[in-house]
Parts: sequence; structure tokens; C-alpha cells
Amino acid sequence: EAQVTQNPRYLITVTGKKLTVTCSQNMNHEYMSWYRQDPGLGLRQIYYSMNVEVTDKGDVPEGYKVSRKEKRNFPLILESPSPNQTSLYFCASSISRSGEQYFGPGTRLTVT
Amino acid sequence: DQQVKQNSPSLSVQEGRISILNCDYTNSMFDYFLWYKKYPAEGPTFLISISSIKDKNEDGRFTVFLNKSAKHLSLHIVPSQPGDSAVYFCAASGQTKTSYDKVIFGPGTSLSVIP
Repeated sequence: EAQVTQNPRYLITVTGKKLTVTCSQNMNHEYMSWYRQDPGLGLRQIYYSMNVEVTDKGDVPEGYKVSRKEKRNFPLILESPSPNQTSLYFCASSISRSGEQYFGPGTRLTVT
Repeated sequence: DQQVKQNSPSLSVQEGRISILNCDYTNSMFDYFLWYKKYPAEGPTFLISISSIKDKNEDGRFTVFLNKSAKHLSLHIVPSQPGDSAVYFCAASGQTKTSYDKVIFGPGTSLSVIP
């Protein structure tokens, strides 16, 4: 079954404690993205990757890091989380940037 | 600077009637547009798309219209069904000031179809 998986689904953490949200896709897609969803703001792209070792900033990259060492995985790293990073995070993948994106189920992060 | 706008945060429609969801964009370099549907506690799912070389694309009950001169697109759902109740996101991709490869989403419109 074609899918995008994210872990964990829910996470409560404290300010400054480094965390990683994993994302994996089984469709051999080249394009992967991370988004955050906040009320009234929709989905905002954090980072995206066009292929292995090729990543670029989206609209809200501050406070986040990503890496793309393998085609299937695209982890999102928060080196020093802050309360304003409390949000719902989605990973997505597609064949290309204009192709339909397949989204993961979301990770709800709370930073206290 | 919101490049993709959905000015109606919510919309209520009677079952069986037409739902029209609107989306406006500011960047004339966008060349591909997509609509996604999102249910609570799930990730968005792709609904329908349109390339800038077309002005209409149809898939069953869903039709997307693109008016490039007005930088406007709309999603028509006919007939609307209660299962269509969800948040609908408009998305655009193409060249921006800083990238060739970004995808920009609008803030979403919450559609309620009343039985």
C-alpha cells in the first residue's frame, strides 16, 4: 500500500529539548516536504527536498533542520524547540513539485 | 504576503446543491494548481488539479476552473454530499521570488454540507 508514515503521532516536550520527527514514504518519490498547519494560516511549507542530498527552505524554515540521506526518508529536526513551534506537522511526498502530494497522518507537537 | 488566498473561511451548503470554493493567487508565475481535502485527524488528500495551460478540469462531481487573467480558480462540487464536509485547501506551484520548486497553500475553507 502506497503510504507516507510519520512518527511519533503525538509529542509533548519542553523548551530546548532536541527532537526528531521521522517521515518515510514507500513510493520512490523524489519530492518530499514538511508543512506545519496552524489555525487561519493553512499549510505552510517548512522545508522541501527535490532528491537525495538536495534540500531547500520553504516559507517558515527558522528553527528547523532537515536531511535527505536516503530517498525514502526525510526527518524533521528541531534542535531547540520553542513554544511557537507548537503545531500540527505534516510530511508529504510526490513525483515532482507539481504532482499530487501524498500526506502523512500528521504529528501533533506541543512545546511547553 | 499571502500568495494564495481563500477568502471564505467557511461555507455551508444544502445536500444536493452546488458548492463553489474560491481561491485567488497573486503570483503570475504559478503554473500548476491543486485542491486538497482534509478531514479532522487525517492528512490532506489530493482531489483535483489543473495546469495553467487549461481553463477547466473535471473529475466526476468535481470541476476546477482557472481564470488566469483574474488569477482566480474555483472548485465546483455538484451535487454536494454530506461526506464532502471537510476543509479544502487550494495550492499553487511554480516560480517564486526565491525558488522554482515551492508549493504554496491557501488557508483553507471549511465546507459543511447539510443533509
